[in-house]
Formats: sequence, C-alpha cells, structure tokens
Amino acid sequence: EIVLTQSPATLSLSPGERATLSCRASQSVSSYLAWYQQISGQAPRLLIYGASNRATGIPARFSGSGSGTDFTLTISSLEPEDFAVYYCQQRSNWPITFGQGTRLEIK
Amino acid sequence: QVQLQESGPGLVKPSQTLSLTCTVSGDSISSGGYYWSWIRQHPGKGLEWIGYIYYSGSTYYSPSLKSRVSMSLDTSKNQFSLKLSSVTAADTAVYYCARDGQSKNYYVLDVWGQGTTVTVSS
Repeated sequence: EIVLTQSPATLSLSPGERATLSCRASQSVSSYLAWYQQISGQAPRLLIYGASNRATGIPARFSGSGSGTDFTLTISSLEPEDFAVYYCQQRSNWPITFGQGTRLEIK
Repeated sequence: QVQLQESGPGLVKPSQTLSLTCTVSGDSISSGGYYWSWIRQHPGKGLEWIGYIYYSGSTYYSPSLKSRVSMSLDTSKNQFSLKLSSVTAADTAVYYCARDGQSKNYYVLDVWGQGTTVTVSS
C-alpha cells in the first residue's frame, strides 16, 4: 500500500497570506494525485486532480504541482473560507490511500 | 446535478453487521463509467477508503477490511450498499459514499454524500 505523508500537520497563517502544503508518497504515483478540502462538519470536496488540474468551480488561487513522489498544494492568497483540513489522495495503486491531512488554521 | 445520500442505523451493537445504503440521484448507477465508493472517517481522524463497486457489480475492497466487507448494487432503486460484519468500537466513524468519476484521464472522488455517523456500542 502506498503511504502518503503530509506536512506540516498544522499550518497557522493569516488571511491574504500564501499557503504551501506538501504531500510525499512512499513510491511514485506518477500524476495520480488529488487534493481535497474538508471544512469542519462537511464532506470532503475535490480541489485538484491529476496533480495540477483544478476541479470544476475551484477558484484560481488554488494550484497543485508535482509528480512522482513529491506534490504541493498552494493557495496563493488565503480567504477566510479556506481555513480547513486538506488531504492528498493517490489513485495510482490499489488500495486508494489518503494522507493524514494538514490543518490550515487562522493565525 | 448528481447527489448522493447515505442512510442506515446510527447505532450498531458490537459483533453485529453494519449496513448502509447510498441513494444516487441525478444519474444512473448502471450507466457505466463510474466506481461507487465507500470511505470512512474515525472521530477526529483522517479518511480511510473502504472499497468500491463498479456498475458491472465487480468490487475491490481495502485489504485491511476485505474479510468483513461486502458491497452490492440495487439498480432498480439506484442505490449501492455497504455491509461490514463483526463490528467493534473501532468501526465507529462517519461513513461517506462517493462517486469515483473520470476527469480527463484521471479517476477522482468528485461527488460525495454528506456522511452518516455510525456508533458501535452495546
């Protein structure tokens, strides 16, 4: 099973700042990496797929990069509604696995 | 617009079988091209993928749960279901159903249900 390790576990930033979240895979997942946002009490929402493609309706301030084992989710300028937990997920090999999440909190 | 809705008992006794149903609206589960998945989230924890059932009825379960999981389709009701046997307190979680659909060349969990909380307790 592919293990995804996200860092940092918690990121404290202010609105307007830039957020950089990392996801590292235990073996190559090529570009089969997605990012999800989970606001407290809600279901996860797809943000990025194929490592760098924004899902429908996702604002341009969200961007993804990387391939192989190292991936990054960047939020260029944080809005109040962006403070949530973010998960990466791989679909290169079965079973599907998720990272443990990064909590983005207001500083 | 496709919507998914989980339903089932919120409380299950230890050693019994957890049974949940996901009702799909806005699309037919037998139309092809989608994997229909179950994911769970333990209290305060991350996401754990349980398995999928394809429109053809083929399944794949996470190895960690494979011995206790079964999934099925009811195309007449446009539903798919999860059964998890011999539950313990460790199976207490929010259970989500989700559609695994294709965008470009990638399959992604693009539509999720709101989740249903299942507590295992006597």
